[in-house]
Amino acid sequence: KQEVTQIPAALSVPEGENLVLNCSFTDSAIYNLQWFRQDPGKGLTSLLLIQSSQREQTSGRLNASLDKSSGRSTLYIAASQPGDSATYLCAVRRGDNFNKFYFGSGTKLNVKP
Amino acid sequence: GAGVSQTPSNKVTEKGKYVELRCDPISGHTALYWYRQSLGQGPEFLIYFQGTGAADDSGLPNDRFFAVRPEGSVSTLKIQRTERGDSAVYLCASSDQGATDTQYFGPGTRLTVL
Repeated sequence: KQEVTQIPAALSVPEGENLVLNCSFTDSAIYNLQWFRQDPGKGLTSLLLIQSSQREQTSGRLNASLDKSSGRSTLYIAASQPGDSATYLCAVRRGDNFNKFYFGSGTKLNVKP
Repeated sequence: GAGVSQTPSNKVTEKGKYVELRCDPISGHTALYWYRQSLGQGPEFLIYFQGTGAADDSGLPNDRFFAVRPEGSVSTLKIQRTERGDSAVYLCASSDQGATDTQYFGPGTRLTVL
């Protein structure tokens, strides 16, 4: 069974800092990996999707990397802003079963003004 | 265009009662997913529809849970004889290609079983 772990569980940083969120998964036979943002009381918003053949994806101040062989992904946020405060979730799709996403428990980020 | 919508946003019920949760996916999306999210946890897969059929229902915890999508659009998640442990946020997502495309999530229904 695929297990997805996110470290740290919570993170508080001052505005302007660059930061890295970590995601690890136990089964490297993934189809793709996706990073989401969740605001309190809201659904999930997709940030970046990385196919298993890719090493990284970038969108604005966000950069996600994938090392499938070691079972790791990182989400890099540059020049953090208070509006970045949210819970960040990573999810992997297995290569042998596209239907399921396996989610981590998330990292709760607080960016202080 | 409109995103994924879910109704009701909150549902409080008593143990043993029956509940229905509704999901309206993005128009034209053929794939629809239900997830359950407990406090402090990531979403947990329940069921996946491709069109009208349940292509994968392996995440449903037991036979008290059932979902339908009769016309390939709106879906209803049905929970019989609710238990306190069913309390969670139920999320719905849709995508237009299933396996490869991004899932778009609704705001969820918060279910509380007293």
